[in-house]
Amino acid sequence: GESVGLHLPTLSVQEGDNSIINCAYSNSASDYFIWYKQESGKGPQFIIDIRSNMDKRQGQRVTVLLNKTVKHLSLQIAATQPGDSAVYFCAENMRSGGGADGLTFGKGTHLIIQP
Amino acid sequence: EPEVTQTPSHQVTQMGQEVILRCVPISNHLYFYWYRQILGQKVEFLVSFYNNEISEKSEIFDDQFSVERPDGSNFTLKIRSTKLEDSAMYFCASSLIDEAFFGQGTRLTVV
Repeated sequence: GESVGLHLPTLSVQEGDNSIINCAYSNSASDYFIWYKQESGKGPQFIIDIRSNMDKRQGQRVTVLLNKTVKHLSLQIAATQPGDSAVYFCAENMRSGGGADGLTFGKGTHLIIQP
Repeated sequence: EPEVTQTPSHQVTQMGQEVILRCVPISNHLYFYWYRQILGQKVEFLVSFYNNEISEKSEIFDDQFSVERPDGSNFTLKIRSTKLEDSAMYFCASSLIDEAFFGQGTRLTVV
C-alpha cells in the first residue's frame, strides 16, 4: 500500500484566503517530512520541512504541522496568491538524515486559486 | 540563484537503446539524487550518491541503471537498454545538508 498520501487530489480556494493541504503517512518511524511545490513543467521545489521531534514549523506564509499520534501532516498557506497555484506533495524520509535521500512522495494535491 | 540544470529537456529513444541523462548539481553540494515521475503518478526515488559512491538505491534502480560523477561537476544517469516503461520525467536533485534542489527534469520517451 501507499505509505504517504494526500486526502484531496484538488483544492480550490479564493485568492487571499488561507489554504490547508493535508497528508497522511503510515510509517511511524519516519523522521523527516518535507512539503514540495511543483509547477507545471518544473521540478519539485522545496517549501518547508519538519523533523519528528517538532509539532510545528513556520516559514514565510507557510506553516507545517505534524501530528505524530495520528500520523498526519498539513501545510497551511496564508493569504494565497495566484503564484501558489501548483501541485503540492508531501514527502517522507524513512532514513536518517535530511536531504532527498530515499524520499517517499505522496500523490499530490492540485491547489487552484480562484480570482 | 544557483540551480540544478538538466540536459536534454526531452529525449526520445528507441526501445533497447542506451540513454544518458545529464545533470549539473549546485556546485558546493555534496549529495546527489535521481528521481523519476511517470506521467500521472508519484515522484519515485531511484538513487542517492555521496562521496563518489551510491549511498542508497530503490528497487527500481536495477542493473540497467547506473550513475556516475565523471568530472566533479556533472552527474549522469545511464539506462543501458531502455524499455517502454522507462518513459518518465527524470529529476536530478542535489543538497548540501537538508534542503534539496531539483532540476527541471528530462522527459524520456521510449518508443
